[in-house]
Amino acid sequence: AQKITQTQPGMFVQEKEAVTLDCTYDTSDPSYGLFWYKQPSSGEMIFLIYQGSYDQQNATEGRYSLNFQKARKSANLVISASQLGDSAMYFCAMRDGYMDTGRRALTFGSGTRLQVQP
Amino acid sequence: DGGITQSPKYLFRKEGQNVTLSCEQNLNHDAMYWYRQDPGQGLRLIYYSQIVNDFQKGDIAEGYSVSREKKESFPLTVTSAQKNPTAFYLCASGGQGLQPQHFGDGTRLSIL
Repeated sequence: AQKITQTQPGMFVQEKEAVTLDCTYDTSDPSYGLFWYKQPSSGEMIFLIYQGSYDQQNATEGRYSLNFQKARKSANLVISASQLGDSAMYFCAMRDGYMDTGRRALTFGSGTRLQVQP
Repeated sequence: DGGITQSPKYLFRKEGQNVTLSCEQNLNHDAMYWYRQDPGQGLRLIYYSQIVNDFQKGDIAEGYSVSREKKESFPLTVTSAQKNPTAFYLCASGGQGLQPQHFGDGTRLSIL
């Protein structure tokens, strides 16, 4: 069974500082993808970044980077230079078996609420 | 613009009533999904469909039903058998390989 764990229910960060949101995962499948989504108070899910299990380098996308440590089964999201608009819920999600045509649904963690303070 | 449209944005259900949530996509995706989100929690999979006229139960399918008669549409019915339907419902599509899923803006369902 696959599982995603986000151990930080809430985080505070000062504007312009960097913040790391933790995510650990558990799967027995060698091919999997890890995804991070942002959910503002309005409710929509905004895709931020992904990492494939066979990717050699950590993913980066603008101010977002993914600190992927395969041996530790962790995929932490790093947000650099936080902005007030970054205040939201952040979800880590996984899809395993992505190389076949099986179930493509995501398994989500419980989320971390980030509040950026001026 | 391409995207996923969910309607209505807010929905109220009376006791013993079935209600249907709409989800339409124009992204030409084969796969579509329904997730439920309870306050302060992550998303849980209700149903998913990888192709027209085919769908599978997710982790919490009891009390829900779906249909997939067209590629663009994947409506979710919350039946009277679902005793705790109050939640935020999100529809998604896509997600082949390492492609991310795209989400609609959600429907908030409450009990009257």
